[in-house]
Amino acid sequence: GQNIDQPTEMTATEGAIVQINCTYQTSGFNGLFWYQQHAGEAPTFLSYNVLDGLEEKGRFSSFLSRSKGYSYLLLKELQMKDSASYLCAVRALKAAGNKLTFGGGTRVLVKP
Amino acid sequence: EPEVTQTPSHQVTQMGQEVILRCVPISNHLYFYWYRQILGQKVEFLVSFYNNEISEKSEIFDDQFSVERPDGSNFTLKIRSTKLEDSAMYFCASMQGEDTQYFGPGTRLTVL
Repeated sequence: GQNIDQPTEMTATEGAIVQINCTYQTSGFNGLFWYQQHAGEAPTFLSYNVLDGLEEKGRFSSFLSRSKGYSYLLLKELQMKDSASYLCAVRALKAAGNKLTFGGGTRVLVKP
Repeated sequence: EPEVTQTPSHQVTQMGQEVILRCVPISNHLYFYWYRQILGQKVEFLVSFYNNEISEKSEIFDDQFSVERPDGSNFTLKIRSTKLEDSAMYFCASMQGEDTQYFGPGTRLTVL
């Protein structure tokens, strides 16, 4: 089975940096994804790691350590529109349909 | 930019009725998924579909659920006899190769 843990909520100030941690235990690993979800909307893709290390995409970066079962999403230069839930998801192997298993999400509140 | 589309955006039904949720995946994608999200809870995998057959399904996807790709563009989820606990947002997702799953805007299903 799969178990994914991330903090429930975080608060940060506009312009600051926030790091959202995600730990996972999985029986078959085929990549870790980060999605952003605004209330009442669909998850939108942010970042993807399959190998260890840091992936940078503009203001968002994601890090993965497969040996530790650990990832983080780094949001820099926070803007008010970044207030949303951030979902960590582990992808299963193709034999298991490449399905995504999501954590509960971390709600980030950006304050002025 | 191509998008996954879903109809209807909101469906209200009586308990015991059948519902069909419709999705049009991105046109050159090969892998198709249904997920659901009960209000305030995590996104949960229901089923994956590849090469005209189910490749993986979750425990939630029991005999009341079925999926179909009736033509080259649509992908449907049918719930035969809805229960109160089926009330949720249902998201369709599609993927081209083994990369990123892109989500549709969702159908909010309310069972009364």
